[in-house]
Amino acid sequence: EPEVTQTPSHQVTQMGQEVILRCVPISNHLYFYWYRQILGQKVEFLVSFYNNEISEKSEIFDDQFSVERPDGSNFTLKIRSTKLEDSAMYFCASSAEDGRREKLFFGSGTQLSVL
Amino acid sequence: DQQVKQNSPSLSVQEGRISILNCDYTNSMFDYFLWYKKYPAEGPTFLISISSIKDKNEDGRFTVFLNKSAKHLSLHIVPSQPGDSAVYFCAASGLGGNEKLTFGTGTRLTIIP
Repeated sequence: EPEVTQTPSHQVTQMGQEVILRCVPISNHLYFYWYRQILGQKVEFLVSFYNNEISEKSEIFDDQFSVERPDGSNFTLKIRSTKLEDSAMYFCASSAEDGRREKLFFGSGTQLSVL
Repeated sequence: DQQVKQNSPSLSVQEGRISILNCDYTNSMFDYFLWYKKYPAEGPTFLISISSIKDKNEDGRFTVFLNKSAKHLSLHIVPSQPGDSAVYFCAASGLGGNEKLTFGTGTRLTIIP
């Protein structure tokens, strides 16, 4: 069964450093997303991406965040200068296999720890 | 701003019995609702969904009920199995055609053998 793949599974970084979280969405999907879950809190929307551009972003997704689809398969989330409060599990998701965009398929996540 | 609420953080159910997980929402613009299941160290897995034009959707052991007037939905699992032990998230979308999902805080379901 096709799946969304995320690497790395864990990332530890120092505050102020840049991190890039990587994702390979399901190959025939058209919509891509990043969500995050801070420990003990709900899963929160960060950004959606379609047709090589951001279609929506939340207030969390400030200028420190950026997304890119550098080739036909990868989808990345970059945090330019990490803060302690960026520590969370980051989930990549993709959708639109059957035209229903809200039916998202999630990866296993990258646990980001900012020290 | 809790537009989607799951008021029970945890629920324990005997194996073979029915599990009922509840979810309330406040935004009347939501028109599509989903349930996701999450195991530790894994991403959420899509379980079942329902459009606002329906009041029930069934898939095997899983049934979702939607009460639009009460802005309430529930997930029924029957019979409950040990493998159903996980965190269940209710999610909603709509808001004028936007595909962004708004999640609840989750309910941890434990099935007791």
